[in-house]
Amino acid sequence: SQQGEEDPQALSIQEGENATMNCSYKTSINNLQWYRQNSGRGLVHLILIRSNEREKHSGRLRVTLDTSKKSSSLLITASRAADTASYFCATAGGNNRLAFGKGNQVVVIP
Amino acid sequence: GAVVSQHPSRVICKSGTSVKIECRSLDFQATTMFWYRQFPKKSLMLMATSNEGSKATYEQGVEKDKFLINHASLTLSTLTVTSAHPEDSSFYICSARSSGSIQPQHFGDGTRLSIL
Repeated sequence: SQQGEEDPQALSIQEGENATMNCSYKTSINNLQWYRQNSGRGLVHLILIRSNEREKHSGRLRVTLDTSKKSSSLLITASRAADTASYFCATAGGNNRLAFGKGNQVVVIP
Repeated sequence: GAVVSQHPSRVICKSGTSVKIECRSLDFQATTMFWYRQFPKKSLMLMATSNEGSKATYEQGVEKDKFLINHASLTLSTLTVTSAHPEDSSFYICSARSSGSIQPQHFGDGTRLSIL
């Protein structure tokens, strides 16, 4: 899980495999967003899932949201070397500011 | 679309100097801009939120006199690190959002600040 005091999760997979990463949060949310960050760069918005949605797809990405467990998962199917990056979830609450998790470092080996 | 340009990408300066970082939304009007700080292998920490034409709202523990934020137009926000010290060395990232709080934030490429 991303939030809390634990270190960022690291995942190393072979190209073509699926990559799954999880995110947990503690407060109530309006929506949850996933971002990707390449080393030394800014963040790229990937997908937004609203609190009343349970699953969302975008290309090779699938996001699930379980508000009862306060958790979300991001699945990248058929991974590519270019998917190597850090992936962050961010929750938006009543003030709609984003609170970021610690991130998942994904390495896709060609 | 939704491009945010942040400048400079990297700056190295002596302790005691002030450094200004610019964040521009190139193809949309950014009613709200955010400034984050990121430590190595850590998550983003929100420093402040700025709305065009009004004073920035700083997060707890962030010194507003140390980190001056100006959001004078719908396309430009600046962060000035005043009298910088080595402990201010970090990766600073801005983001911008158009009107409508449900809109995603679009991020600049960050500024690597190194204070000697």
